[in-house]
Formats: sequence, structure tokens, C-alpha cells
Amino acid sequence: DADVTQTPRNRITKTGKRIMLECSQTKGHDRMYWYRQDPGLGLRLIYYSFDVKDINKGEISDGYSVSRQAQAKFSLSLESAIPNQTALYFCATSDLGSGQGNKETQYFGPGTRLLVL
Amino acid sequence: AQKITQTQPGMFVQEKEAVTLDCTYDTSDPSYGLFWYKQPSSGEMIFLIYQGSYDQQNATEGRYSLNFQKARKSANLVISASQLGDSAMYFCAMSLYGKLTFGQGTILTVHP
Repeated sequence: DADVTQTPRNRITKTGKRIMLECSQTKGHDRMYWYRQDPGLGLRLIYYSFDVKDINKGEISDGYSVSRQAQAKFSLSLESAIPNQTALYFCATSDLGSGQGNKETQYFGPGTRLLVL
Repeated sequence: AQKITQTQPGMFVQEKEAVTLDCTYDTSDPSYGLFWYKQPSSGEMIFLIYQGSYDQQNATEGRYSLNFQKARKSANLVISASQLGDSAMYFCAMSLYGKLTFGQGTILTVHP
């Protein structure tokens, strides 16, 4: 079974609709992240959570909200979807690294392809 | 602000040859991590290799090695003995305070 799962894997929605993307992990990691990937732009951080009571905005949080329901679950919501939110969305998890050097390897889910019409 | 730059939009290599994918970074923080991820056409992100800013030796993982030149702020990925399955998008990323910043990626195509 996959360690990091995302549902749905593909979603088509219309402008103005509210949608939720869900992420679950069995890795036991405290830290969870949401990214979006647009062609030619790499991945950009939307929101991140270092534990259940900690939620932080990333680089591009406008138009998105998140909920950390449990250590293992982190959901991303688009309150009113718009076409430029069409992208590939990734959830990732990591554990607090030990020692110096920011060794907190992030492990990614399979991604959700979202199309907003 | 931290920044990652991958200047090669696309690279081509012959099967069984070595290839270097370039990555430069910019940060004033002395403690950071550098990562490379592979994204095949199926879309998943696969962790390849990590280098810590305080590591004295270059990281290696099988056919992957990271050529870390701290003074030049570069962290190039070297893939030895390329295989057809290495054809994919490759991302360089820098970790600061638990957050990753990604480069724009390099598409690698391995020719038979």
C-alpha cells in the first residue's frame, strides 16, 4: 500500500464550485505539505503543517484553505474554484530531520490532476 | 530570499553514458539541504538524493551522485550509465526550515 495517498486522482469541476482534495499518510510523519505544479514552473508551496495544531501559509495560499484533521490527514480546499487553479496538486510528508542541514526528506503522494472549466 | 535555478530546460544523453544536470541555489542561511527528485511521465515525485550544507563529502546513491560545490552554490546531479528509464523531469530543491523550494526542472531524454 502507498504511504501517501491522495483522493481524488483526477477531478474536473466548474468555476465557482467548492472542492476538497484529501491526503492521507501512513508514514507516521508530523509534517505535511500541499504543492501545486504548473507546466514550466516547478512545484510551489501552498500550505504546510508541522503538527496537528500548526498551519502555515506557503508561497501561493490565496484562494486555498486547509484542514489538518489528524496527524495522518491534511485536506486542501478551493472555496470557489477558478480556471487558473487548474494544475497538478501534490501532498507531501516529512519527519523532523536530525542533525544539521535540513535533512527532512519529503515524500510525495501520487498527485491530483484538477481541471477547472 | 532563497532561489533555485536550473538553466537546462532539456538535456539529451546516449544510453550508458553519464550526464550532468545543473542546479544553482542562493541563500544566506548556513544550514540548508539540497535534494533531487525525479518525475517520470506518470507524474509521481521520486526522491533521489540529498546533500546537507555541512556535509564534507559529495552524496552518492547508486548511479546518482551530487556534485556539491559550496563556494559556487551549485549542486549538480550526475547520473552515470544512463538507462532508458532515466528519461524524466528532474527537479532540484533546497530545504530551509523544513520547507522546500524547487527549481523549474530539466527534462532528460535518454536515447538508445
